[in-house]
Amino acid sequence: DAGVIQSPRHEVTEMGQEVTLRCKPISGHDYLFWYRQTMMRGLELLIYFNNNVPIDDSGMPEDRFSAKMPNASFSTLKIQPSEPRDSAVYFCASSLASQGKDTQYFGPGTRLTVL
Amino acid sequence: GDSVTQMEGPVTLSEEAFLTINCTYTATGYPSLFWYVQYPGEGLQLLLKATKADDKGSNKGFEATYRKETTSFHLEKGSVQVSDSAVYFCALPQDPAGGTSYGKLTFGQGTILTVHP
Repeated sequence: DAGVIQSPRHEVTEMGQEVTLRCKPISGHDYLFWYRQTMMRGLELLIYFNNNVPIDDSGMPEDRFSAKMPNASFSTLKIQPSEPRDSAVYFCASSLASQGKDTQYFGPGTRLTVL
Repeated sequence: GDSVTQMEGPVTLSEEAFLTINCTYTATGYPSLFWYVQYPGEGLQLLLKATKADDKGSNKGFEATYRKETTSFHLEKGSVQVSDSAVYFCALPQDPAGGTSYGKLTFGQGTILTVHP
């Protein structure tokens, strides 16, 4: 089975540009999570969805960040405009409530560098 | 709220040494407890879990016992290998009772393990 798929794997952009990160969860999973990982702050949960509906976005740092899940097989995290402090690895994860919602399957991550 | 605290790292060991990474938790109930591992350049993956007190989770030679008396879930391995070099995260659910945080995990800060030949 395919795992969680993220694209791109690496993104280098300039300050002020719009960045869109993409995620395809494991088929059939009903929870989707977006995390950010940095050396300074560790692993932070940004937002998560249940059945395509955003449940908790309290971790989204500011209005420059937005996330959508238009259907069960696709989600995006958008940063507009991007800033150097947004540089981090962004992970998407999914889980299935009936198999243990707390067992999250992570994608390989997108390494974002904002110059 | 519920939280986990991991031992400070990094941890550097020689191959075949014994490993312990400490994790303590604070929780109002008795949540499931997890260890996730992140290998270089990859996302996190579940290593093992325990769902109730006195349970022992095990996988790939790693073990952790859920001890409610000491509110701990320490990770151990009797003989580490170079391939075990990774970052290890202790975690627990934010709201196991099914409230608004249902499905959300709280992770520790991570412990970097480096194993030398």
